[in-house]
Amino acid sequence: SQTIHQWPATLVQPVGSPLSLECTVEGTSNPNLYWYRQAAGRGLQLLFYSVGIGQISSEVPQNLSASRPQDRQFILSSKKLLLSDSGFYLCAWKTGASTDTQYFGPGTRLTVL
Amino acid sequence: AQSVTQLGSHVSVSEGALVLLRCNYSSSVPPYLFWYVQYPNQGLQLLLKYTTGATLVKGINGFEAEFKKSETSFHLTKPSAHMSDAAEYFCAVSDYQGAQKLVFGQGTRLTINP
Repeated sequence: SQTIHQWPATLVQPVGSPLSLECTVEGTSNPNLYWYRQAAGRGLQLLFYSVGIGQISSEVPQNLSASRPQDRQFILSSKKLLLSDSGFYLCAWKTGASTDTQYFGPGTRLTVL
Repeated sequence: AQSVTQLGSHVSVSEGALVLLRCNYSSSVPPYLFWYVQYPNQGLQLLLKYTTGATLVKGINGFEAEFKKSETSFHLTKPSAHMSDAAEYFCAVSDYQGAQKLVFGQGTRLTINP
């Protein structure tokens, strides 16, 4: 069966510090991968998605970036965090089949102070 | 562009009462529609989805939703609320092409009163 992992689960970082959040998927190959952010009192916003290794599409201009160094690994990064980067970050995966479901990871709670 | 509107950011019902969470969508192509549930500090779990075929979709935990194209709606219902249903519910739409990105509504927080 497929499993999606995210770490860390919780992170508190000062403004201006770097960020690296990791997401890995087990039990499948060549998944579509997605990063979403859920800010306090707001819905889920798609940040990045990837349909293959090295293929990253950005949905929202910001100081975040994403990379996919391996087939089942998706990394969200920042060189300098802003207060507005605080939120709950969710990674998701799905197969390439159009009718398939996006499955979400447990999330990372990021607080920028 | 696709969009989703969930009517009511907070809904409160009594235990055993009908649950109705409203979702309207906008899409220029035939949509795929989803309802997800989120418990505090957890990821999202799929309740049900509509892609093609039967417009009344049954999901987990006794929930169901009906796709009404003429009303561009996909409301979520459950005949009898249980305390464990207290959570946040998100409606989402995607298209069937490309990366099938999900566009979410703002969410509805469901509270169950004893």
